[in-house]
Amino acid sequence: QVQLKESGPGLVQPSQTLSLTCTVSGFSLTSYNVHWVRQPTGKGLEWMGVIWTGGSTDYNSALKSRLSISRDTSKSQVFLKMNSLQTEDIATYYCARDWEGSSLDYWGQGVMVTVSS
Amino acid sequence: DIRMTQSPASLSASLGETVNIECLASEDIYSDLAWYQQKPGKSPQLLIYNANSLQNGVPSRFSGSGSGTQYSLKINSLQSEDVATYFCQQYNNYPPTFGSGTKLEIK
Repeated sequence: QVQLKESGPGLVQPSQTLSLTCTVSGFSLTSYNVHWVRQPTGKGLEWMGVIWTGGSTDYNSALKSRLSISRDTSKSQVFLKMNSLQTEDIATYYCARDWEGSSLDYWGQGVMVTVSS
Repeated sequence: DIRMTQSPASLSASLGETVNIECLASEDIYSDLAWYQQKPGKSPQLLIYNANSLQNGVPSRFSGSGSGTQYSLKINSLQSEDVATYFCQQYNNYPPTFGSGTKLEIK
């Protein structure tokens, strides 16, 4: 069955880089796009970026200068890297599979990231 | 970016009632709209895509409608398990953007 699972450190120091991995199963990264979405606790959802089936990427312009998304298709993994983390980046980070034009049909369980020294 | 204005922000209704949640887009999104349900501590779950297509496995008491800039999610015969926050999302124009959410409670 389709599954996505985020992993990575829950605590990042201010100004440091966040590195998250989304490991997928039940589908191929060359057949489905994968998005990253984040959600500050108790708040709304913010789209961060997408890696398309061909390997190209698009990013939220508000994060573009700090954000990088890549993948390893042989390992069924998608990677998120975001530098210069600040307290405003405290959130739960989700990866999700694209469905029918960029609705999101399967989501990971999320990983909560705190920024603190 | 397309702005999605969702209303109401919170809603309290009785079991068995019908509720409606609205989303207004800042421009025409040509039915490229999804609705999600998020229960406390859980990930969002897709309910409706393309404005009115019910995702597999979602109970038929959920339905979506709308066109242009105005869309709505209807929940018939409200059940206790429907307590959640609901979000709309447009994907007609990048970046995809979400409404601010509607928190649904049982009266």
